[in-house]
Amino acid sequence: DADVTQTPRNRITKTGKRIMLECSQTKGHDRMYWYRQDPGLGLRLIYYSFDVKDINKGEISDGYSVSRQAQAKFSLSLESAIPNQTALYFCATSDFGGGSTDTQYFGPGTRLTVL
Amino acid sequence: DAKTTQPNSMESNEEEPVHLPCNHSTISGTDYIHWYRQLPSQGPEYVIHGLTSNVNNRMASLAIAEDRKSSTLILHRATLRDAAVYYCILRDRSSGGYNKLIFGAGTRLAVHP
Repeated sequence: DADVTQTPRNRITKTGKRIMLECSQTKGHDRMYWYRQDPGLGLRLIYYSFDVKDINKGEISDGYSVSRQAQAKFSLSLESAIPNQTALYFCATSDFGGGSTDTQYFGPGTRLTVL
Repeated sequence: DAKTTQPNSMESNEEEPVHLPCNHSTISGTDYIHWYRQLPSQGPEYVIHGLTSNVNNRMASLAIAEDRKSSTLILHRATLRDAAVYYCILRDRSSGGYNKLIFGAGTRLAVHP
């Protein structure tokens, strides 16, 4: 079983609809992240959470909100979807041990299309 | 944040070595050099990282220039499965724990049979 799972894997929706993307992890990591990727570009950070009570905005948080329901679950919401939010969304986790590695582990992604 | 510069694309033949360059002329003394790769239709995965010395692991080797202004990811024998976008990323170890990964466009590696 995958350590980081995302649901749904694909979603087509209409402008103005509320959408929730979910991420679950079995790695036992405290830190979780949401990124978006547009065609031909690298990933950009939307939100990150260092623990259940700690939520932080990333570089492109406008139009998005998140909820950290438990250590293992981190959800991303689009309150009113718009077409330029069409992208590939990735969830990631990491376990900061104070060292230099702090590897991030990514989920398989959710492809979201807003018509 | 210090930036990295990578070629947009590279090609290789299967079972040949591949050297993927990365320039980071504004690197600071507290920046680690990380490499991730993204296989088609997948999320990124960690490859390797280093600070000053060359590093080896089961996936690749990382050669870091003495002045640290450039580095090279080395795949010793490319396989078809190594076809991916490779990202060179600088991460500030003094950032107080903010695990920031800044992805550029990366290098798209094509591997030919």
